[in-house]
Amino acid sequence: QMQLQESGPGLVKPSETLSLTCTVSGGSITSYYWSWVRQPPGKGLEWIGYIHSSGSTNYNPSLKSRVTIFVDTSKNQFSLNLSSVTAADRAVYYCARMPDTSGRGWFDPWGQGTLVTVSS
Amino acid sequence: QSVLTQPPSASGTPGQRVTISCSGSSSNIGSNYLYWYQQVPGTAPKLLIFQNNQRPSGVPDRISGSKSGTSASLAISGLRSEDEAAYYCATWDDSLNGPVFGGGTKLTVL
Repeated sequence: QMQLQESGPGLVKPSETLSLTCTVSGGSITSYYWSWVRQPPGKGLEWIGYIHSSGSTNYNPSLKSRVTIFVDTSKNQFSLNLSSVTAADRAVYYCARMPDTSGRGWFDPWGQGTLVTVSS
Repeated sequence: QSVLTQPPSASGTPGQRVTISCSGSSSNIGSNYLYWYQQVPGTAPKLLIFQNNQRPSGVPDRISGSKSGTSASLAISGLRSEDEAAYYCATWDDSLNGPVFGGGTKLTVL
């Protein structure tokens, strides 16, 4: 059974770059789309962006100027960089697979999520 | 402000049937599949319905989804205490060129 696990610092200083990695186990990262989704405490879900194992990406226009997602197929991992963070970026960050080969589908499975706080 | 509109809350008693609505537009729900996720507090979202009305393995048949035009709904019959959670609808938006979510509906089992 495929499992995803987020890792990275839980605390980032304002104006710095948030960096998270998602490690995929129980299956190969190849041939799928992989997403990052975030959820501010007590609020709803926001799609950040996705990457295909081939390296092609698609980002939420509201975050596009600050987001980079990249993949390392040799490690079965994909990563998120979000630059110039502010307090508004405090959220639980989830990684998830998109099983539909078109990249327009659903998210399943999800990682357990990791809370990132922005504070000096 | 979410692209998809859901009621913020819903409630029912054990055994009842409840429905949760999700409304959008022609650029999202009207032209793409609809998905539903369940999120128990403190946990990650879990896929409940895909491609409008399909249940993943393990999701009971008392949970169903439907879509008509630019709206969709999730129905839960035989309500149980374990159904108490937040429910999110989601779909692809052709204008955004990406996935969008509803604001979520918190379901309370009284």
